[in-house]
Amino acid sequence: DQQVKQNSPSLSVQEGRISILNCDYTNSMFDYFLWYKKYPAEGPTFLISISSIKDKNEDGRFTVFLNKSAKHLSLHIVPSQPGDSAVYFCAASASGGSNYKLTFGKGTLLTVNP
Amino acid sequence: NAGVTQTPKFRVLKTGQSMTLLCAQDMNHEYMYWYRQDPGMGLRLIHYSVGEGTTAKGEVPDGYNVSRLKKQNFLLGLESAAPSQTSVYFCASSSIGTGGNEQFFGPGTRLTVL
Repeated sequence: DQQVKQNSPSLSVQEGRISILNCDYTNSMFDYFLWYKKYPAEGPTFLISISSIKDKNEDGRFTVFLNKSAKHLSLHIVPSQPGDSAVYFCAASASGGSNYKLTFGKGTLLTVNP
Repeated sequence: NAGVTQTPKFRVLKTGQSMTLLCAQDMNHEYMYWYRQDPGMGLRLIHYSVGEGTTAKGEVPDGYNVSRLKKQNFLLGLESAAPSQTSVYFCASSSIGTGGNEQFFGPGTRLTVL
C-alpha cells in the first residue's frame, strides 16, 4: 500500500516556464513533507519542506503548497532552468514515535528543455 | 565537513557471497538509515538506527543485517547475496530536533549480484 504517491513518472517543460510536480498521500498522520532532488549517480539532496500547520513555503524559485483536506502537495519551480533537470522525490513523516522515518514516493523525472 | 560518506561506491558480487557496506557521518547525528533504490520503486527503507547500539527493521529488511557500534558509523551486511539485492544503496542520517527530520544522504553504492 503506497502511502505517498507521485503519479507522474516524468514531466517535460521549457526553460523559463513553470514546473509543477504533484504528490498525494493517504496517511492522515503525516504532518511534515519534504521534497528531495536527485541527479544521476548522486544521493538525494534536500530541497524544501513544509509543516502541516502551513499551506505554503517558499524558497527562491521553489514553492511548496500543501492542501491538507485533499491530502495533496505540489512543488512549483519558477522559472525552470536546465539545471533543474533531475528526479524529484516527495517524502512525508509523522510526529510521534516514528517521526524519524520518511516515506518516499517513487519520484518524478523532470526534464527542462533549453 | 564530509557529510555522509559511503564505501565502496561500486561492487560486483556472485550469488552467495557476503559483503559489508560502510556508512560514516561527521555531523554527530543520532539517527541513521539504509535505503535501497530500484527503478520505478523510489527509496525503500531497509534498516535504521535511533542511536549507538540500537537498530530496527524498516520496510524491506529481509536478507540484510546492520550494526551501529559507533555513533558515526552504520554498517549494512549481506550474508548471502542474491540477484534480487542488485540495487543502489543509500545511507542517510538526521538529527533529533530538526523538527521535520531532514535527512542527509550519502552518494550511494551501486551493487550488482550475478
